Amino acid sequence: DADVTQTPRNRITKTGKRIMLECSQTKGHDRMYWYRQDPGLGLRLIYYSFDVKDINKGEISDGYSVSRQAQAKFSLSLESAIPNQTALYFCATSTGVPYNEQFFGPGTRLTVL
Amino acid sequence: SQKIEQNSEALNIQEGKTATLTCNYTNYSPAYLQWYRQDPGRGPVFLLLIRENEKEKRKERLKVTFDTTLKQSLFHITASQPADSATYLCALDLYQLDTGRRALTFGSGTRLQVQP
Repeated sequence: DADVTQTPRNRITKTGKRIMLECSQTKGHDRMYWYRQDPGLGLRLIYYSFDVKDINKGEISDGYSVSRQAQAKFSLSLESAIPNQTALYFCATSTGVPYNEQFFGPGTRLTVL
Repeated sequence: SQKIEQNSEALNIQEGKTATLTCNYTNYSPAYLQWYRQDPGRGPVFLLLIRENEKEKRKERLKVTFDTTLKQSLFHITASQPADSATYLCALDLYQLDTGRRALTFGSGTRLQVQP
């Protein structure tokens, strides 16, 4: 779905490097989310934002940080990447009202060597 | 501990049959539950939502039930087709205790394979 885009789509990096994943949306939604997906563990919430000034930690925020630059942009940073951060990362958006139906981007496959 | 359980083993069925996937949860009281479809290498796509006061919801060949007493949701695909082959995720909309905000908590998903 081109409404939610993620860059890069694939990234290989080395342990200790700083890396940023970017998410942009044209859906006009206020709420944005970052998830990671690992085999057998499903989607786990890293951070979420209800507007530009409202950032919240999710289930697994340690080792990650985020920036909400505008309503349409939400970036995820790994300050010092480690191998167990190798995963598939998804950005999602929602209106939140009346229900929290979410729209996902295509994902970024990150490998940390 | 709180958790959401979906059968981790793949479900294999013949085309034309009804597929039934299960989502069980413990220690949650969700206001509503959602089902998503995920194809390999792609993001999940929303399918259906059911509220706690609804017993059943239908959309075309899809049917979802929600039993808050059993803490279980069943997801049915009738007249299944090979194109229905995918992983199906359930998600509960829950208050996050530390932020007071609502967010989705996902199960790990069940892979469905429909054989022609």
